[in-house]
Amino acid sequence: TQLLEQSPQFLSIQEGENLTVYCNSSSVFSSLQWYRQEPGEGPVLLVTVVTGGEVKKLKRLTFQFGDARKDSSLHITAAQPGDTGLYLCAGGNTGNQFYFGTGTSLTVIP
Amino acid sequence: DTGVSQNPRHKITKRGQNVTFRCDPISEHNRLYWYRQTLGQGPEFLTYFQNEAQLEKSRLLSDRFSAERPKGSFSTLEIQRTEQGDSAMYLCASSFANYGYTFGSGTRLTVV
Repeated sequence: TQLLEQSPQFLSIQEGENLTVYCNSSSVFSSLQWYRQEPGEGPVLLVTVVTGGEVKKLKRLTFQFGDARKDSSLHITAAQPGDTGLYLCAGGNTGNQFYFGTGTSLTVIP
Repeated sequence: DTGVSQNPRHKITKRGQNVTFRCDPISEHNRLYWYRQTLGQGPEFLTYFQNEAQLEKSRLLSDRFSAERPKGSFSTLEIQRTEQGDSAMYLCASSFANYGYTFGSGTRLTVV
């Protein structure tokens, strides 16, 4: 099993603040994905990064894949209550499945 | 494209009973995955199909669990002789090749 650890596990911030979520592993992945999950629903894909050092921006969300392709971060600027949810990273290789991280539960308080 | 559909959304069963869940993937997707998620944790891989062939199974998938994908379309996951530890959200996802997953809304199983 290729473990992905996310930090922090829980995060509660005020609307308008910035935050960063981290995803770390001792394993190298050929690609890494970030998902957001709301209670009672399945995860929804936000982004896929495949190149070491790659940075992708999706509106107020910035995703970075580490140079060594073992870690990733998600930065949210000016968080809004609609950003509340469970953020999951998932690493994949040339095999057929993605390994999911432990998740970061984000609450944005209005 | 109606997305990935899972039925039922919720299932409550008595310990020892058998249960079966269904997943209808996106029609163009050749890959189908089953994951299990418990509260506060990320999804754990159970099994994977490419078309109708079951290519990979996790050690988490005991002999009480069986999955099928006849004709490479919908899939079923059956749990026999359910135990309380089987209580979880069972998620199905589909993809085309190795692109990102599209998940269904899951089936929440409660074993009492």
